[in-house]
Amino acid sequence: EAGVTQFPSHSVIEKGQTVTLRCDPISGHDNLYWYRRVMGKEIKFLLHFVKESKQDESGMPNNRFLAERTGGTYSTLKVQPAELEDSGVYFCASSRKAGYEDTQYFGPGTRLTVL
Amino acid sequence: GENVGLHLPTLSVQEGDNSIINCAYSNSASDYFIWYKQESGKGPQFIIDIRSNMDKRQGQRVTVLLNKTVKHLSLQIAATQPGDSAVYFCAEFRSVYNTDKLIFGTGTRLQVFP
Repeated sequence: EAGVTQFPSHSVIEKGQTVTLRCDPISGHDNLYWYRRVMGKEIKFLLHFVKESKQDESGMPNNRFLAERTGGTYSTLKVQPAELEDSGVYFCASSRKAGYEDTQYFGPGTRLTVL
Repeated sequence: GENVGLHLPTLSVQEGDNSIINCAYSNSASDYFIWYKQESGKGPQFIIDIRSNMDKRQGQRVTVLLNKTVKHLSLQIAATQPGDSAVYFCAEFRSVYNTDKLIFGTGTRLQVFP
């Protein structure tokens, strides 16, 4: 079974540019989560999809961040325009169904550097 | 990796010794906890979990202890090996109104030397 995949693995952009990160969850997993770790901080929750619906986006930092999950399959996280403080590693995770019975499996992350 | 430059607590152990990694959590209502291992260039990998109705749970070479009175978790690794070198995170699982999330601790870097 393929794990969670993320693309790209690294992205270097200039302040003010736009970047789109992609996550492909494990096949059959309804739940998809985005987390990020900025330098010197812990991994923090951004948002949670159940299929194509945003269940919780309380962790999204501001309206420069937009997440979508087309057809309940893969998800994209767009940052527009990017700022210096957006640099960090963005992780995606998926689980089969909501609730603590299910382990969240993480992708390798996308390292975003904003210059 | 992304952990370079981070001022993480570091535990250095000799190969073959036992390791104990500690974690404090804040929410006394939390009832499910997970330990993740993150190697350089990879995402967090599930190691072991424990629910609040348990004090101890054992896996292969790993044991998690939960002390709800002082809101403390520990991860014990027996006979630590070089492949155990990584950053270890504890995470609280919070589920509210059909949504759920993980709340991560800051992490501890485990270094294993021969």
